[in-house]
Amino acid sequence: SQTIHQWPATLVQPVGSPLSLECTVEGTSNPNLYWYRQAAGRGLQLLFYSVGIGQISSEVPQNLSASRPQDRQFILSSKKLLLSDSGFYLCAYGGGTDTQYFGPGTRLTVL
Amino acid sequence: AQKITQTQPGMFVQEKEAVTLDCTYDTSDPSYGLFWYKQPSSGEMIFLIYQGSYDQQNATEGRYSLNFQKARKSANLVISASQLGDSAMYFCAMRGLNTGGFKTIFGAGTRLFVKA
Repeated sequence: SQTIHQWPATLVQPVGSPLSLECTVEGTSNPNLYWYRQAAGRGLQLLFYSVGIGQISSEVPQNLSASRPQDRQFILSSKKLLLSDSGFYLCAYGGGTDTQYFGPGTRLTVL
Repeated sequence: AQKITQTQPGMFVQEKEAVTLDCTYDTSDPSYGLFWYKQPSSGEMIFLIYQGSYDQQNATEGRYSLNFQKARKSANLVISASQLGDSAMYFCAMRGLNTGGFKTIFGAGTRLFVKA
């Protein structure tokens, strides 16, 4: 069976610091991978998706970037965090009919 | 453009009763998929149910059923015999299978409160 991991679970970072969030998937090959952000009390905003190693599509221009160095690894990064980057970050992989299955999420607070 | 609308910010239901969460959608894609997710206070998004636009029957998964009315572009979630553990945020989502690419769009969500 497939499982998806994210870490860290929570993160508090100062403005201007770098960011690296990691997501890994087990039990499947060449999945579609997704990064979403959810502001408090809001819906999900798609940030990036990837259909294969090194293939990244960006949905929202911002100071975040994503990389997929391995088939089942998806990384979300920033060189300098902004206050507006605070939120709940969710990674997902696409299953049958591209139903998306989500990881446990990372709660990021930028101070 | 694709759009998902959930007009109920919050809903209350008595334990053991059924509740319907509304979802309407808009798409020009002739083939699409509709999804419902549950997000408890822990934050994890849990997949509940899927309905394909060409499926002849409404989808069901245990206590969850999707009331799919294609002509009205609605995909309401029905939860039967509500339990206290059903208290959570519920999101409706859609993906256009032809022109939507790999993007799934989500509604703003409905918060369900189950009363004992």
